[in-house]
Amino acid sequence: QLQLQESGPGLVKPSETLSLTCTVSGVSISTSFYYWGWIRQPPGKGLEWIGTIYYSGSTYYNPSLKSRVTISVDTSKNQFSLKLSSVTAADTAVYYCARNYGSGPNNWFDPWGQGTLVTVSS
Amino acid sequence: EIVLTQSPATLSLSPGERATLSCRASQSVSSYLAWYQQKPGQAPRLLIYDASNRATGIPARFSGSGSGTDFTLTISSLEPEDFAVYYCQQRSDWPALTFGGGTKVEIK
Repeated sequence: QLQLQESGPGLVKPSETLSLTCTVSGVSISTSFYYWGWIRQPPGKGLEWIGTIYYSGSTYYNPSLKSRVTISVDTSKNQFSLKLSSVTAADTAVYYCARNYGSGPNNWFDPWGQGTLVTVSS
Repeated sequence: EIVLTQSPATLSLSPGERATLSCRASQSVSSYLAWYQQKPGQAPRLLIYDASNRATGIPARFSGSGSGTDFTLTISSLEPEDFAVYYCQQRSDWPALTFGGGTKVEIK
């Protein structure tokens, strides 16, 4: 059964870089047609798509975050990662990783990881 | 960016009642719209994709309809576990996937 688990620091200082990893179990991250994404949710607010990656390394980013986001994949560890630079309090959110539902990068998300809260504060 | 507006913000209903949730897009998304359910402290779960297709394992009481700019999620008879927040998402505008602001279905 496919499971995703986010990990990383829960507290990041303003202007620094947020780094999170999603560990995938139950399926190879290199499976053809599976794309992997990051979505975030500020406390008490709605959802925002951050970006999506394929095992080959192809990436797709939300234009509103593109200048600050890097998503990468490590197939040997069955993981993919998120880096968000120059963070501010507005980046405080629960960060989720998820698999695309259906083939292709432009798609829905299911299943999701449980999420991890990242707080930006000095 | 396509803006998705969900209404109402909160829906107060009793178990067994019918729930009708709306999602309106700022421009046409064809049928490229999905619905998710999120319970407190949990990740969202995909319910409906491509406007009217139920995701794997989703009960038949959940149905979706609409195309273009107006979409509806209907829960035919609310079960206790259906009280949650529901979000819509579009994939028509790529790479600018967006979600709606959510509708909370609460127990009356």
